[in-house]
Amino acid sequence: AQSVAQPEDQVNVAEGNPLTVKCTYSVSGNPYLFWYVQYPNRGLQFLLKYITGDNLVKGSYGFEAEFNKSQTSFHLKKPSALVSDSALYFCAVRDINDMRFGAGTRLTVKP
Amino acid sequence: NAGVTQTPKFRILKIGQSMTLQCTQDMNHNYMYWYRQDPGMGLKLIYYSVGAGITDKGEVPNGYNVSRSTTEDFPLRLELAAPSQTSVYFCASRGTTNNEQFFGPGTRLTVL
Repeated sequence: AQSVAQPEDQVNVAEGNPLTVKCTYSVSGNPYLFWYVQYPNRGLQFLLKYITGDNLVKGSYGFEAEFNKSQTSFHLKKPSALVSDSALYFCAVRDINDMRFGAGTRLTVKP
Repeated sequence: NAGVTQTPKFRILKIGQSMTLQCTQDMNHNYMYWYRQDPGMGLKLIYYSVGAGITDKGEVPNGYNVSRSTTEDFPLRLELAAPSQTSVYFCASRGTTNNEQFFGPGTRLTVL
């Protein structure tokens, strides 16, 4: 079965600094990879996806993610973090009919 | 489009009570999903449906039931509520060509 792992429970960065939220995947075949964000007391919101094509994928709110096949990674990045980026971030991989989510990484951006 | 809507937003149940969590989507999506999210945890798939009349179990189906009589609606039924079912429940949907899922705002359920 397809799976993803998020090795960090928590990431702390200062406002204005670059941020990275890590995700590694394990799949058979070509991966369909996703990032979602969850703000407090809200549902998950789609940020971006990789299906095929360029390894650098751009998404909502200035986020981007880099697909690296040799390292089986799909890290989420942003060049300059905002306090409003503080939230819970989930990496996910599409399985046959459903989606497998990572455990989530809580990002805190401090002013 | 309202997207994916869920009712109620909050509910407190006593042990042994039953209830139905409602989920409706207006995007004509074939695929619908129910997840639960426990504190500090990721999402676990309870049930999913690939179209009206078709449902299948996910990772954690015990204690739940679903039905899919229409494309729009995918209710989740708890028959005998247990404290272990205290969680936040999310419904999601996706189209046949879209790969990303669209999530509802969630239902926070507490069983005492």
